[in-house]
Amino acid sequence: NAGVTQTPKFQVLKTGQSMTLQCAQDMNHNSMYWYRQDPGMGLRLIYYSASEGTTDKGEVPNGYNVSRLNKREFSLRLESAAPSQTSVYFCASSPRAPGGQPQHFGDGTRLSIL
Amino acid sequence: LAKTTQPISMDSYEGQEVNITCSHNNIATNDYITWYQQFPSQGPRFIIQGYKTKVTNEVASLFIPADRKSSTLSLPRVSLSDTAVYYCLVGLSGGYNKLIFGAGTRLAVHP
Repeated sequence: NAGVTQTPKFQVLKTGQSMTLQCAQDMNHNSMYWYRQDPGMGLRLIYYSASEGTTDKGEVPNGYNVSRLNKREFSLRLESAAPSQTSVYFCASSPRAPGGQPQHFGDGTRLSIL
Repeated sequence: LAKTTQPISMDSYEGQEVNITCSHNNIATNDYITWYQQFPSQGPRFIIQGYKTKVTNEVASLFIPADRKSSTLSLPRVSLSDTAVYYCLVGLSGGYNKLIFGAGTRLAVHP
């Protein structure tokens, strides 16, 4: 009963390095999301994928790229990491559009950029 | 965009009922109201969702007045394990938008 699985759980990068955060869901959901959460703040949407083969920008997309590899997997890539991207990253999924469908979240990837 | 406003923090004691109110003045006709709970080092977890009037499940109730410009999450008889951050989320039904999570309400339950 995994739900949404994120890897890695922790990562430390140097400024300028690149990295891909992985997310997979086993609930056959159509929609997937990437959020970031900074200390003491709510979640901000980075990118979302309404369905397999589509992606779109959220509130804070700059500095990130995403790939919806298949229905199960949605990855987030930092091409050139910056200290401002130090955050906790959460992946989520929902059956369809989020308005009437609750999202299911993973437990996050804690990313520090030095 | 439907922005939400919640109290930053609340304190309660074990066994009390806790009511957390969320304001969402710009809610759209088709928007649902969803509440999530988040413990430290975990992702948010769905608690309850509603569109109008009252919704109740095994852990909480959600009260939504007729104008839908606010909603109240009610937690009956809280315990120490209810200490968490609670988020109110309002989103466009049937479509995608910049889903707005506010800063949430940090609830502390004391013995």
